[in-house]
Amino acid sequence: GNSVTQMEGPVTLSEEAFLTINCTYTATGYPSLFWYVQYPGEGLQLLLKATKADDKGSNKGFEATYRKETTSFHLEKGSVQVSDSAVYFCALSPYGGSQGNLIFGKGTKLSVKP
Amino acid sequence: DVKVTQSSRYLVKRTGEKVFLECVQDMDHENMFWYRQDPGLGLRLIYFSYDVKMKEKGDIPEGYSVSREKKERFSLILESASTNQTSMYLCASSLPRDTNTEAFFGQGTRLTVV
Repeated sequence: GNSVTQMEGPVTLSEEAFLTINCTYTATGYPSLFWYVQYPGEGLQLLLKATKADDKGSNKGFEATYRKETTSFHLEKGSVQVSDSAVYFCALSPYGGSQGNLIFGKGTKLSVKP
Repeated sequence: DVKVTQSSRYLVKRTGEKVFLECVQDMDHENMFWYRQDPGLGLRLIYFSYDVKMKEKGDIPEGYSVSREKKERFSLILESASTNQTSMYLCASSLPRDTNTEAFFGQGTRLTVV
């Protein structure tokens, strides 16, 4: 079946530290992969996406590369800010181009200290 | 600005009550979804709809039903609320599959059943 596994949190970093949140997936076919972010008290927002192998999604200094050989989509940022404190969800769409019917990881809470 | 609006941010209901959670989107999206979000479990799909008057069960439909009488509105119904349905409920919408666009989420409804 289809599933997403992401590293458990919480993750606590100092401002300007390097961030990696690991995400691996299992899927049949050719899924699209996403990172969503949930700021405190808000709904989910799409952070970045990749629709095929070797694609790199990027937004707001965050990056993730769709690695089919390792079934991974790790989220990285070179220098985090306090405003990046949020919960991050890795997700896949098992239907290729569909953006709905997403399968989510359990989320990783990131806290960035000044 | 595109919007998915959930009718309530916070609700408190009694065990056994019939509860309606309403969601409206203004983007003319075909797809609409209801998820629940629980600590340590991430987001789980309850029901989804690809068209008016159409509904499909997600991963955890037990104890819930839905209604989609108009394209822009998707309602989640708890037929007889129970304490284990205390959770954050998130509505989302998207264009049809194969369009490769993001899913948009509402702000969430935090439901407490006492």
